[in-house]
Amino acid sequence: NAGVTQTPKFQVLKTGQSMTLQCAQDMNHNSMYWYRQDPGMGLRLIYYSASEGTTDKGEVPNGYNVSRLNKREFSLRLESAAPSQTSVYFCASSRQNTEAFFGQGTRLTVV
Amino acid sequence: EDQVTQSPEALRLQEGESSSLNCSYTVSGLRGLFWYRQDPGKGPEFLFTLYSAGEEKEKERLKATLTKKESFLHITAPKPEDSATYLCAVSVSGNTGKLIFGQGTTLQVKP
Repeated sequence: NAGVTQTPKFQVLKTGQSMTLQCAQDMNHNSMYWYRQDPGMGLRLIYYSASEGTTDKGEVPNGYNVSRLNKREFSLRLESAAPSQTSVYFCASSRQNTEAFFGQGTRLTVV
Repeated sequence: EDQVTQSPEALRLQEGESSSLNCSYTVSGLRGLFWYRQDPGKGPEFLFTLYSAGEEKEKERLKATLTKKESFLHITAPKPEDSATYLCAVSVSGNTGKLIFGQGTTLQVKP
């Protein structure tokens, strides 16, 4: 009963390096999301995908790209990491307009 | 602009001391309101969904209520294990199901 699985759990990058955060869900949900969580800022939406083949910008998309590879997988890419992208990243999935289920998060530090 | 505000930011209670957390929202059209619990180092865990004013949901010591402008999470006779951050989120009409989160209320229950 995996739910939403994110990899990796922890990552340290140097400024300017690139990386991809992976997310997969096994609940047959149409919608998938990427959030970042910073102290005092709550959860802020980076990108979301309402269905396979579509992606839309959220509140804080700058510096990120996403790919909805298929119905199960939604990846988040940092092309050139910056210290301001140090955060905890959460992937989530849902049926439309119902509760979202979250992964355990990726703690990213950019030095 | 759609907005969700939670209060208080932090709440300390003695075990058994009941209280309420507030989530007020200003949105163009509410499709649903969601409560989550988040433990340190973990992803948010779904608690309740409320869809219309007057609706109530209960689970153990927690009860969520909804009006046209706000929701309350009532905690009756809390225990130390209820200590966590409680997050409120809304799903808004015309936004293909994306969730907008408040900043959360961090609850500490002392024995």
